Amino acid sequence: GAVVSQHPSRVICKSGTSVKIECRSLDFQATTMFWYRQFPKQSLMLMATSNEGSKATYEQGVEKDKFLINHASLTLSTLTVTSAHPEDSSFYICSARDQFDTQYFGPGTRLTVL
Amino acid sequence: LAKTTQPISMDSYEGQEVNITCSHNNIATNDYITWYQQFPSQGPRFIIQGYKTKVTNEVASLFIPADRKSSTLSLPRVSLSDTAVYYCLVGDNAGKSTFGDGTTLTVKP
Repeated sequence: GAVVSQHPSRVICKSGTSVKIECRSLDFQATTMFWYRQFPKQSLMLMATSNEGSKATYEQGVEKDKFLINHASLTLSTLTVTSAHPEDSSFYICSARDQFDTQYFGPGTRLTVL
Repeated sequence: LAKTTQPISMDSYEGQEVNITCSHNNIATNDYITWYQQFPSQGPRFIIQGYKTKVTNEVASLFIPADRKSSTLSLPRVSLSDTAVYYCLVGDNAGKSTFGDGTTLTVKP
């Protein structure tokens, strides 16, 4: 099956700093990628839809200035959590949609903000 | 977006067949049905996808009735390593879809 990678797998940062998470589709091109957030024992919550070459579309309640998304190529999307605070601590997961409209998910990034 | 409803949890024993049903009453004409498996602290793993009738691959089968308002994931002869959360996802060609609460499957020895 298709492979999606994320980097880093886990990050610990101080409050007020920014953190960038990369999502790559390794063996296919993805014009659309998605970013999710998952809190403990909860389901995945869609944050935004990332489209290559255009602005991301954010879900209601997600601050676009806080969660910056860039999808500069067909294999890479980045999520930057700006001025992170402890309440931003979560498990962030990306997915990439292939030519058959199937989503493949990355392994996730555990963000801990101190 | 189609909303999905699944049982919160299911228990099974090793070697048994497990069937998990997902309800998606307002599924749209263009929507596909996809099932994922998720282990703790990992991203969801693709299991199977279908549009109608029956789909089978090396790990599971997916049964979709004619009205497509529900679907059933069938896992043959489960093992302890199949203990996980299973999600059904209904989405259109734009790929946007909403995760439901998932079904926590616990396989006992």
